[in-house]
Amino acid sequence: EVQLLESGGGLVQPGGSLRLSCAASGFTFNSYAMSWVRQAPGKGLDWVSTISGIVDTRYYADSVKGRVTISRDNSKNTLYLQMNRLTAEDTAVYYCAKVIRVAETRGGLDYWGQGTLVTVSS
Amino acid sequence: DIQMTQSPSTLSASVGDRVTITCRASQSISNWLAWYQQRPGKAPKLLIYEASSLESGVPSRFSGSGSGTEFTLTISSLQPDDFATYYCQQYNSYLTWTFGQGTKVEIK
Repeated sequence: EVQLLESGGGLVQPGGSLRLSCAASGFTFNSYAMSWVRQAPGKGLDWVSTISGIVDTRYYADSVKGRVTISRDNSKNTLYLQMNRLTAEDTAVYYCAKVIRVAETRGGLDYWGQGTLVTVSS
Repeated sequence: DIQMTQSPSTLSASVGDRVTITCRASQSISNWLAWYQQRPGKAPKLLIYEASSLESGVPSRFSGSGSGTEFTLTISSLQPDDFATYYCQQYNSYLTWTFGQGTKVEIK
């Protein structure tokens, strides 16, 4: 059974940093691209970033480019999102999700974690 | 960047109704489109990918169609579990992906 479990969310002051983690199980982690998608309270879904499975290719939304770094540790089956210079606009539930097709960097997201809440406030 | 526009934003319907949601892209995305269902407090669930491929385990009352810039999600006979918010997502570009703003399906 595929499982994705996010952690690392919490309350952070504006300008601060946070690292989110997503522990994956139930599939061959290094064969699949992974993404982060966020959802501000009461708002829609907002794609944040995607990283390929083995080849180190990373993509970012313009709204986070330069402040956010996606990475993965295939030996630990874990996905990360390092977020810096956080603002109130980054307040959201952050979901990690798996891309549906093996070895493809784009595609539908077929498994999602339960999400971790990041609140940026003083 | 490619913009995705869903219509309507809210839809009121009854159990058994046929429901159609439209998603328009600001430029051609071929068939690189997915549809998701999200219930309150839950993670999104993939329904359709590549515009018309039904995800494993998703009931056959859900179907997707379209290519280029115009796409539809159809629920052939609305069930109580289907009252939720639906999102389209384009992944035509490797560089950026975009979600539509969502369509909330409410009980009439």
